Amino acid sequence: GAVVSQHPSRVICKSGTSVKIECRSLDFQATTMFWYRQFPKQSLMLMATSNEGSKATYEQGVEKDKFLINHASLTLSTLTVTSAHPEDSSFYICSASAANTEAFFGQGTRLTVV
Amino acid sequence: DAKTTQPTSMDCAEGRAANLPCNHSTISGNEYVYWYRQIHSQGPQYIIHGLKNNETNEMASLIITEDRKSSTLILPHATLRDTAVYYCIVRESNDMRFGAGTRLTVKP
Repeated sequence: GAVVSQHPSRVICKSGTSVKIECRSLDFQATTMFWYRQFPKQSLMLMATSNEGSKATYEQGVEKDKFLINHASLTLSTLTVTSAHPEDSSFYICSASAANTEAFFGQGTRLTVV
Repeated sequence: DAKTTQPTSMDCAEGRAANLPCNHSTISGNEYVYWYRQIHSQGPQYIIHGLKNNETNEMASLIITEDRKSSTLILPHATLRDTAVYYCIVRESNDMRFGAGTRLTVKP
């Protein structure tokens, strides 16, 4: 299957700082990218959907000023967690999809805010 | 909100077929059925998808009922490495939400 690379795989940051997570589609052009977060023993929760060149569409309850999503090119989307706090600690996962095809997932990023 | 319901957990003996059901009674005509699985602390892995016809690939088979209100994922010869959470998703282009999934445990 297609390859989606997510970086970093793990990050520890101090409370109040910002963290950027990158999601790249390595061998296809991703018109749509999805961002999820996952707490232990729970399913993936969709945070936002972004189409290349457009503003992301955020799910209800997800603060767009806190979770900044940029999808400036067909191969790269970024999620920035601003002013991170311990409750933002979670597993963040991106997926990328070309038009009307299956979505492929990154390896995930485990964020720990201390 | 997820548009699918799946059993919370299932067991399967190694070497036997694993049949994982999924109900999606509100599926619309443009929506595909996708299956993914997630092994602990990894990103989900794509397995298979279909619209109306049954599908088969090197990993699994997907059987979709004629009314499209339910489907079954079949792993023909389950191995211990197939132990994972399996997610059935009904998807139109810009909407991909996960339900709770089925935790499949393959036992020796």
